[in-house]
Amino acid sequence: SAVISQKPSRDICQRGTSLTIQCQVDSQVTMMFWYRQQPGQSLTLIATANQGSEATYESGFVIDKFPISRPNLTFSTLTVSNMSPEDSSIYLCSVRQWSHEQYFGPGTRLTVT
Amino acid sequence: KNEVEQSPQNLTAQEGEFITINCSYSVGISALHWLQQHPGGGIVSLFMLSSGKKKHGRLIATINIQEKHSSLHITASHPRDSAVYICAVEGAGGGADGLTFGKGTHLIIQP
Repeated sequence: SAVISQKPSRDICQRGTSLTIQCQVDSQVTMMFWYRQQPGQSLTLIATANQGSEATYESGFVIDKFPISRPNLTFSTLTVSNMSPEDSSIYLCSVRQWSHEQYFGPGTRLTVT
Repeated sequence: KNEVEQSPQNLTAQEGEFITINCSYSVGISALHWLQQHPGGGIVSLFMLSSGKKKHGRLIATINIQEKHSSLHITASHPRDSAVYICAVEGAGGGADGLTFGKGTHLIIQP
């Protein structure tokens, strides 16, 4: 199993600012992902966080807006840059073990005013 | 890109009823996940399936790879089962793909 923590758990930010979300896993994992859940919607994959190299972004998401770091096998950060109210969402970190078991962090609830 | 469809979108039932939630997808996958999300956002993985059937307590999940269809069943439903149930699929790309999610089924079990 894997236990995931995220910081912060929630934040209220002003438009035009940036927020960095941290994801810490209690064990080494190969695959780490960042998802977004907009209000009333299901989850959408933002990117796969690759250890030691640039993240792989899904269509509609770009590195300048959502820069991701993954310096090792247990930690990743997602930055939401130049925020607008449309970025108000829950951001979730997720990991997948070699067995395909999937674990989710508790999420970061972001409100942009 | 895989299209994941869930039905029903909303379901209200009485305590004790047998519940079925369906999921279909359009492209071959390596695995299918059933997830549970309670108010407040926490997501718990219930099942990961690549074939056949799995059972955990009152929950049963089945998958038919040929028909690209999966079902989640809840027997003897209870108000604590009230949650959003989400079907999500992994692409057949060797494990490097993130999940593609259905829109979820909002389940309410009334006492």
